[in-house]
Amino acid sequence: AQSVTQLDSQVPVFEEAPVELRCNYSSSVSVYLFWYVQYPNQGLQLLLKYLSGSTLVESINGFEAEFNKSQTSFHLRKPSVHISDTAEYFCAVRAGRDTGRRALTFGSGTRLQVQP
Amino acid sequence: GAGVSQTPSNKVTEKGKYVELRCDPISGHTALYWYRQSLGQGPEFLIYFQGTGAADDSGLPNDRFFAVRPEGSVSTLKIQRTERGDSAVYLCASSSQPASGPTDTQYFGPGTRLTVL
Repeated sequence: AQSVTQLDSQVPVFEEAPVELRCNYSSSVSVYLFWYVQYPNQGLQLLLKYLSGSTLVESINGFEAEFNKSQTSFHLRKPSVHISDTAEYFCAVRAGRDTGRRALTFGSGTRLQVQP
Repeated sequence: GAGVSQTPSNKVTEKGKYVELRCDPISGHTALYWYRQSLGQGPEFLIYFQGTGAADDSGLPNDRFFAVRPEGSVSTLKIQRTERGDSAVYLCASSSQPASGPTDTQYFGPGTRLTVL
């Protein structure tokens, strides 16, 4: 089984400041890692994912996340946030390909509040 | 094209009643997932379909919950004898990947907010 911990339920930050949203996971098997974003009154959208290869993955809107196997972490970062980044961010894991399991296990979410 | 759609968007029912929630996946997507999101929590997996069959129903909390996908497209989540604790947002997701392929992206619908009074 897998579990995900998002230590910060809320992260307030000023516009143009850097931000890091923390995610740690636990699993007895290899995993795939995801960050989803939920904007106000909208559904969940995939932001970025790590499957294999380079441990640093990027999204089209400036976010990046780095898979750290030794720390079992997949923290999300952005060097300069915008008001429009205000949303709820969910970290999720899925058991690796060989297990046949397809379900995502989500963390409890971090609300990013960008202030002017 | 159109995304995942779910109906109704909101459902209010009384304790003990039966409810059905519908999910229309993205056209051509073979895999369909149901999740439940309680207030202040992340989504929790309920059941996964590959085609018409339930490939993994390990997340269904008890036998009051049941889901079908008879033609491999639309799915219905059915809850019998609803309880107040069933109140949550029920999310549906679909993906295009066949069972033997590499990992895929799950695309989520807007959800159905179920309130049990």
